[in-house]
Amino acid sequence: EVQLLESGGGLVQPGGSLRLSCAASGFTFSMYAMIWVRQAPGKGLEWVSAISGSGGRTYYADSVKGRFTMSRDNSKNTLYVQMNSLRAEDTAIYYCAKDPRGQLESFDYWGQGTLVTVSS
Amino acid sequence: QSVLTQPPSVSAAPGQKVTISCSGSSSNIGNNYVSWYQQLPGTAPKLLIYENNKRPSGIPDRFSGSKSGTSATLGISGLQTGDEADYYCGTWDRSLSGPVFGGGTKLTVL
Repeated sequence: EVQLLESGGGLVQPGGSLRLSCAASGFTFSMYAMIWVRQAPGKGLEWVSAISGSGGRTYYADSVKGRFTMSRDNSKNTLYVQMNSLRAEDTAIYYCAKDPRGQLESFDYWGQGTLVTVSS
Repeated sequence: QSVLTQPPSVSAAPGQKVTISCSGSSSNIGNNYVSWYQQLPGTAPKLLIYENNKRPSGIPDRFSGSKSGTSATLGISGLQTGDEADYYCGTWDRSLSGPVFGGGTKLTVL
């Protein structure tokens, strides 16, 4: 059974940093691209970043480019996003999701999400 | 403002059919596959449709998808109260070099 379990969310002050993790199980992690998607309170889905199966290629939304860094450790079946210079508008539930076909067009499994709150 | 445009809400009675539209451009829907997600209250999104009209294992055939030009449509027939949720379309956008989602449509089953 495929499982994705995010962790690392919490309350952080504006300008602060946070690292989220997503532990994967039930599939060959290194074979699949992965993404982070966020959802601000009461709002829709917003793609944050994506990474290839090998980790050699990363992609970022303009809203986080230069502040967020996505990575993966295939030996630990774990996905990460390092979030720096956090702003109030980064407050959201952050989900990791798996891309089954490597085209970043659809995502078949999602974690339960971890809440990040940026506030003083 | 989302790149893909969906109606904010739709409603229908139990047992009826409803459609949800998703409008984009040649940069996204016009040249890429569309997917649809269901998000029940307080839960993570769940994939309903991929590659415009394919259903993952376990998704009932009450859910259907179609695409024409730069628009896509999700159909839900035999509506049940358990279908009340937010529904999102998604695809790849060539101009933005990333996945994009619609703003979401809240389905109410009256």
